[in-house]
Amino acid sequence: SQTIHQWPATLVQPVGSPLSLECTVEGTSNPNLYWYRQAAGRGLQLLFYSVGIGQISSEVPQNLSASRPQDRQFILSSKKLLLSDSGFYLCAWERKENEQFFGPGTRLTVL
Amino acid sequence: KQEVTQIPAALSVPEGENLVLNCSFTDSAIYNLQWFRQDPGKGLTSLLLIQSSQREQTSGRLNASLDKSSGRSTLYIAASQPGDSATYLCAVANSNSGYALNFGKGTSLLVTP
Repeated sequence: SQTIHQWPATLVQPVGSPLSLECTVEGTSNPNLYWYRQAAGRGLQLLFYSVGIGQISSEVPQNLSASRPQDRQFILSSKKLLLSDSGFYLCAWERKENEQFFGPGTRLTVL
Repeated sequence: KQEVTQIPAALSVPEGENLVLNCSFTDSAIYNLQWFRQDPGKGLTSLLLIQSSQREQTSGRLNASLDKSSGRSTLYIAASQPGDSATYLCAVANSNSGYALNFGKGTSLLVTP
């Protein structure tokens, strides 16, 4: 069966510090991968998606970036965090053109 | 740009009631529609997936319908239980962004004993 992991589960970082969130998927190959953010009082917002290794598409201009160094690994990064980057970050995988499954999320607080 | 709206934003019902959650979307050219459940501080659990060619899907006490032409979906929960308390999210996939999901803001459901 397929599983999706995210770490860390929670993170508290000062403004201006770097960020690296990791997402890995087991039990499938060549999935579509997604990063979403859920901010307080707002719906889930798509940040990045990837249809293959090294292929990243960004939906929202921001100080975040994403990379996919391996088939089942998706990383969300920032060089300098802003207060507005606080939120709940969710990674999802999808069998091609099918149902999406979400990870447990990372709660990021920027102080 | 696809916009997804969920009504009501919050709902409180006594245990045992049947209830309906509503979802509407502005662009009917969807690929599929998913209903999710989210418990506080947790990730999303997929409940039902309806492909654009389908009209409904059922899983246990849950039934979701899709009327693509009118841009609407409903999630029907039969014989509600306190364990059903959670936020329910509707999301539609369009093929123009790698099948990424556009989410509504959710309906927060509380089922009281």
